Amino acid sequence: DAGVIQSPRHEVTEMGQEVTLRCKPISGHNSLFWYRQTMMRGLELLIYFNNNVPIDDSGMPEDRFSAKMPNASFSTLKIQPSEPRDSAVYFCASTRTSGKPYEQYFGPGTRLTVT
Amino acid sequence: RKEVEQDPGPFNVPEGATVAFNCTYSNSASQSFFWYRQDCRKEPKLLMSVYSSGNEDGRFTAQLNRASQYISLLIRDSKLSDSATYLCVVNFGNQFYFGTGTSLTVIP
Repeated sequence: DAGVIQSPRHEVTEMGQEVTLRCKPISGHNSLFWYRQTMMRGLELLIYFNNNVPIDDSGMPEDRFSAKMPNASFSTLKIQPSEPRDSAVYFCASTRTSGKPYEQYFGPGTRLTVT
Repeated sequence: RKEVEQDPGPFNVPEGATVAFNCTYSNSASQSFFWYRQDCRKEPKLLMSVYSSGNEDGRFTAQLNRASQYISLLIRDSKLSDSATYLCVVNFGNQFYFGTGTSLTVIP
């Protein structure tokens, strides 16, 4: 089975540019999560979707960040405009919320550098 | 107070040693528990789910103590390849709460 797929794997951009990160969850999984990881702050939940609906976006840092899930197999995280403090690894993860335990599987991440 | 707390380490142990990590969680209604492993510059990967009765997978044993709200991971006969950061994860509803991780280095 294909795991969670993320693209791009690496992104280098200049401050002020728009950045779009993409995620394809595991087929059959109905919850999708976006995380950000830095050395200073560890792994932070940004937003999660259940059945394509955003449930909790309280972790989104500010209005520059937005996320969408137009269908069960695709989600985007957009940063506009980007700033150097957005540099981090962004992970997407998915899980199935039927049956226990709810094991969560991560994609390989997008390493974002904003200069 | 953080939802999940772990000793960040680092733990430096010789090959063949037994090492144990503990993790505490704050929400007594938490439902599922996991240990993840994260290698440098890689994504977290599920190591094992933790069941109420405790469970074992080869050299790895996980225990859950609901009364004291802690989870443990025991690694026996440590290998060099066990060097990584180990993340404790607690699930409540649709939310997953991650500890900051415990760093392990196994030394030849």
